Amino acid sequence: DAGVTQSPTHLIKTRGQQVTLRCSPKSGHDTVSWYQQALGQGPQFIFQYYEEEERQRGNFPDRFSGHQFPNYSSELNVNALLLGDSALYLCASSLMDRELGELFFGEGSRLTVL
Amino acid sequence: AQTVTQSQPEMSVQEAETVTLSCTYDTSESDYYLFWYKQPPSRQMILVIRQEAYKQQNATENRFSVNFQKAAKSFSLKISDSQLGDAAMYFCAYRSAYAGKSTFGDGTTLTVKP
Repeated sequence: DAGVTQSPTHLIKTRGQQVTLRCSPKSGHDTVSWYQQALGQGPQFIFQYYEEEERQRGNFPDRFSGHQFPNYSSELNVNALLLGDSALYLCASSLMDRELGELFFGEGSRLTVL
Repeated sequence: AQTVTQSQPEMSVQEAETVTLSCTYDTSESDYYLFWYKQPPSRQMILVIRQEAYKQQNATENRFSVNFQKAAKSFSLKISDSQLGDAAMYFCAYRSAYAGKSTFGDGTTLTVKP
């Protein structure tokens, strides 16, 4: 049973560039959420995708955008990168079911902005 | 907005002993889920235990148990017979029953001494 996979695992960008991070959810899951985890802090919710639509969004600027594909995989795009965007970006999948709320996480994509 | 507070940035326990990690949360909702996640160094976050707010009985998973005090909005994690493999960062998380967003605390780093 394939778990949540993310790519790339590490990447380095410079300020002003754009980045795309990718996520494949756990087999059977239909919902993908993205979180930003700064060093030494807890994950912060960016947004959640279900049925190819953004269902909920956290307090992140429009520079952060995403997409979900028909196979449930997802992308996170960040434009005009800032130094403060350096973080571990976590993808988490789940089932859109009221009784099942646990998240299954990938290993993350560590983004460094220079 | 919901908030989750973990007041212990670091905790230490002797192998085979018991340790309790604290978590408090703030919400005006009555139906929600609470979780403890474990994030080992450089490894993916995994679920340790979860609690449905409508259940009065405290959840238990092998050596892990919770003390859920709904009125006090407290959700502590007890780890019994601590093992070296329990060393990790532990995050308390809240999720409304009506939204996909999970709110995390800033974590407690647990060290297990041999």
